[in-house]
Amino acid sequence: KAGVTQTPRYLIKTRGQQVTLSCSPISGHRSVSWYQQTPGQGLQFLFEYFSETQRNKGNFPGRFSGRQFSNSRSEMNVSTLELGDSALYLCASRLEIGANEKLFFGSGTQLSVL
Amino acid sequence: GDSVTQMEGPVTLSEEAFLTINCTYTATGYPSLFWYVQYPGEGLQLLLKATKADDKGSNKGFEATYRKETTSFHLEKGSVQVSDSAVYFCALGNTDKLIFGTGTRLQVFP
Repeated sequence: KAGVTQTPRYLIKTRGQQVTLSCSPISGHRSVSWYQQTPGQGLQFLFEYFSETQRNKGNFPGRFSGRQFSNSRSEMNVSTLELGDSALYLCASRLEIGANEKLFFGSGTQLSVL
Repeated sequence: GDSVTQMEGPVTLSEEAFLTINCTYTATGYPSLFWYVQYPGEGLQLLLKATKADDKGSNKGFEATYRKETTSFHLEKGSVQVSDSAVYFCALGNTDKLIFGTGTRLQVFP
């Protein structure tokens, strides 16, 4: 069974640009969550999607948005990039919301904003 | 709101030393508690979990006990190996959310 797949693995952008990250969950998983990981802040929750609907949202500005497709694949978009957006973005999938012990993570997309 | 506090790293140990990484939490209700591990270049993997007070989670020689009276879930291992070098995250799950600590980097030297 394939794991959670995130693409691309690395991205370099400049301030003001926008970026789209992609996540394919484990087959059969309908929930996809996104996290931002930085050395100082640890993992911070961005949002969670289930059956194409956003179900939970963290405390990030509106520049961060996401969506989920009918095949459960998810994309995350960050517009008007800032230097502080440089981070490892992790995607995680689970069968359903509430299955906390069955959360599986991808290897992440490392975003560098110059 | 719910939160998790972990000890700052890095924790630097020699092989076969005893490991403790402290984790305390604040939560309403009765959360489940977890330890996740992140090896270099990888995502997080569930290491162990405990779902109620006094439960002990264990895996790969690591242990942690859910202590409701001290709101703690400290991670321990009796004898660490170089291959245990990684970042360890304590987390709590309450209803449908997982809240993570800031992570503690462990470096084990031969």
